[in-house]
Amino acid sequence: DAKTTQPNSMESNEEEPVHLPCNHSTISGTDYIHWYRQLPSQGPEYVIHGLTSNVNNRMASLAIAEDRKSSTLILHRATLRDAAVYYCILRGLAYSGAGSYQLTFGKGTKLSVIP
Amino acid sequence: EAQVTQNPRYLITVTGKKLTVTCSQNMNHEYMSWYRQDPGLGLRQIYYSMNVEVTDKGDVPEGYKVSRKEKRNFPLILESPSPNQTSLYFCASRLYPGQASKEYFGPGTRLTVT
Repeated sequence: DAKTTQPNSMESNEEEPVHLPCNHSTISGTDYIHWYRQLPSQGPEYVIHGLTSNVNNRMASLAIAEDRKSSTLILHRATLRDAAVYYCILRGLAYSGAGSYQLTFGKGTKLSVIP
Repeated sequence: EAQVTQNPRYLITVTGKKLTVTCSQNMNHEYMSWYRQDPGLGLRQIYYSMNVEVTDKGDVPEGYKVSRKEKRNFPLILESPSPNQTSLYFCASRLYPGQASKEYFGPGTRLTVT
């Protein structure tokens, strides 16, 4: 069963903000929300993660709904280098064998950036 | 530079010929894992290791072996490769096993078994 739901694809114009949504209605109180991205022909790359509060780093911002049933990854100014598949992942003990806290990747959102 | 390295990056082999894909990290991370990525199936975990000499199965362990004799290295061994193991493989590491720890991935090894 999919634990997160993301749109299959999105488009953005270069230098405009991008909001990538993720629904996770069955999230539990101890689950962290992680975002990774995978550029073409590369390994996945960590973007950001959070638990309850909104988070910012040099790559992006993560906005978490008050009920934690959804979150949004915000790229403030999309560049061509941001074209990738973005994965929203819940990490918690319920989704993995004891102690492993594995990353369970879904299909993600393919982001295209138009010059 | 903090990184996870894998070798080889590309490998074509024949059914039944034993092979090893090496993985090394220079970040003193406790946790390491192997994933395979297949079209339509996404990334799936093969094996993971919580620390030296501690390994366990992930979601798709059949046909694979691993070892963790030292902290930095986590080789993936295919004793008798078969065509259904043709895939893109990623090694990953993180500082500790917990929920908040971010994972670093290697560049990938594309394996073809004929």
